Amino acid sequence: DSGVTQTPKHLITATGQRVTLRCSPRSGDLSVYWYQQSLDQGLQFLIQYYNGEERAKGNILERFSAQQFPDLHSELNLSSLELGDSALYFCASSDRETRGLNSPLHFGNGTRLTVT
Amino acid sequence: KNEVEQSPQNLTAQEGEFITINCSYSVGISALHWLQQHPGGGIVSLFMLSSGKKKHGRLIATINIQEKHSSLHITASHPRDSAVYICAVRTYNTDKLIFGTGTRLQVFP
Repeated sequence: DSGVTQTPKHLITATGQRVTLRCSPRSGDLSVYWYQQSLDQGLQFLIQYYNGEERAKGNILERFSAQQFPDLHSELNLSSLELGDSALYFCASSDRETRGLNSPLHFGNGTRLTVT
Repeated sequence: KNEVEQSPQNLTAQEGEFITINCSYSVGISALHWLQQHPGGGIVSLFMLSSGKKKHGRLIATINIQEKHSSLHITASHPRDSAVYICAVRTYNTDKLIFGTGTRLQVFP
């Protein structure tokens, strides 16, 4: 058990809808990362937060947004959903803002999003 | 060309065989991660390397920074090792990970 909790495990929704994915990091971890894994693109980094502030952005669409709350849990909001957004969304946490320092990542079990 | 390349893409082995999965990268890195993803989808971090070699049980990971290459070895492979193994590099001075496309390993009894 990594200590990272993601909810829900599965989500099925229709095109055009909006969903929220939730992540609770491992106790004590201040950094939260979001990744998308689709069949054709593999794993891709979306966004990182550290102690409530956005720290790095990857290939995140404008229709997607995220935030990290004072209790350090994070939410990834996906809106105007398209069929191509169907993917596994992973959250990971680490215990520091590394910036060149190296800290292990702890992954959640992912949320499987299916857009129909 | 992808910045992180893994080989082979697919690998089958008999139980007990020695397995090697390779990862080459073309960017400057501060660390390289080896991840394991089981059929259920969950991802487990196996190793994080910035130099040399690490060993955990039957798993060994090595990295050659000059050659921009890493290998993951599994000794005495077992069917429960069947999974996708993913190499990911953390680019220098950032927290971004760039992922390889993964190696699907199947170990048969």
